This record gives sequence, C-alpha cells and structure tokens, in this order.
Amino acid sequence: DAGITQSPRHKVTETGTPVTLRCHQTENHRYMYWYRQDPGHGLRLIHYSYGVKDTDKGEVSDGYSVSRSKTEDFLLTLESATSSQTSVYFCAISDLGGHYGYTFGSGTRLTVV
Amino acid sequence: GQQVMQIPQYQHVQEGEDFTTYCNSSTTLSNIQWYKQRPGGHPVFLIQLVKSGEVKKQKRLTFQFGEAKKNSSLHITATQTTDVGTYFCAGMKTSYDKVIFGPGTSLSVIP
Repeated sequence: DAGITQSPRHKVTETGTPVTLRCHQTENHRYMYWYRQDPGHGLRLIHYSYGVKDTDKGEVSDGYSVSRSKTEDFLLTLESATSSQTSVYFCAISDLGGHYGYTFGSGTRLTVV
Repeated sequence: GQQVMQIPQYQHVQEGEDFTTYCNSSTTLSNIQWYKQRPGGHPVFLIQLVKSGEVKKQKRLTFQFGEAKKNSSLHITATQTTDVGTYFCAGMKTSYDKVIFGPGTSLSVIP
C-alpha cells in the first residue's frame, strides 16, 4: 500500500550490533504497530504507538525499543541484535486502534548472523 | 491471556474444490478480522465481522462470526490459483484491546 513504507526492505547484520528499522506513513493515522512474523508463530506484536511520543509494549518487546517523534514515522530499534531476532518485521497503521483493520507495510527481512 | 487459534495449519486443494478455515478464541471477541497474505507479501485486510451470527460475502469468499462470538470461519467456493496464500484471523477482546492474530492457515491450490 502506497500510504506506508518500510526501510530497509532487507538487512543483514552482525550479532551485537544495533539496528533501526523505519516505518513511514502518509495517511496521518494515529496508531502504528510493529510486528514480527516467524514460521509457526503468525504475527506477534512488538510495540505500538497511539500518538506522538506515546508508545507501549506488545507481547514480545524484550530487546526492542521504539520511538515516534512525528506522526508519520515509527522507528523500531534492536538494541543489540541476536540471532533469535532474525525475522520478517511488519509495520502496520490504523486510524481507530485496530477497528476496520490494519494496513501493513511490505516488511523488512532482517537476518542476524 | 487471550489466544486465537486456527485450523487447519495447512490445506492443499485441487483447483475448483472448496476450502474452509476455522478460527477459535479462548474468550468472547468484540470483533473478528480476516487477512490474506500472498507468498512473499504482506497481510492485507479482507473484512471485519462485529455482530453475533454475522455472515458476509465477498464474491467466492464467505465469512461467518459465531453466535457466541468466540469462533469464525472463512469459506472459499471453487478455489482458484489466485487464492493461494495464508489466511489469518484476528480478534479483539474489547473495543479498546489490541488485535490478536491467529497463526494462520496456509492454502495451496493445485492447478
């Protein structure tokens, strides 16, 4: 969907290094989310934001931090990447906290070696 | 905590056959959503059901929400190769909760 973009699309990084993934939206939606997708686990919520500077943890937040300084940008940081964080990361947006569905970005495939 | 389960995990069908995936929650849901993810793609929102016993159709796809609002199903009539992908259900316990995704059902269609 053109209203939400993720960068980078692919990244390979070394264990122990910090990594930042970016989600950018042009829809002016209030809510933004970071999910990770792994085989057998579906989509698991890492962190979410309900406004500028307003964020909260999801079910798998350990080892991750987020920031939202502008409505349009939501950053996910892996403070010290581990091999268990190898995954596909999806950003999603919604205007009413999940009601009427989420719009997902195209994803970032992260490999930690 | 709240869990949303789906069965089957995988389904292989011959093109033209019907397909159904079932979604079950451990708790009553405020609403249920369905998403489709094509191989290598991202989840795409299909529909939301809110009312007990609700049935909605989108062409060959029929979505149902159970009377107790704890289960849902997606039925595809006469599958086509374009139906290939993983179908996720996602539920909200209350209007103020976050959406919880099920693990998905992966559909393969044999031409």
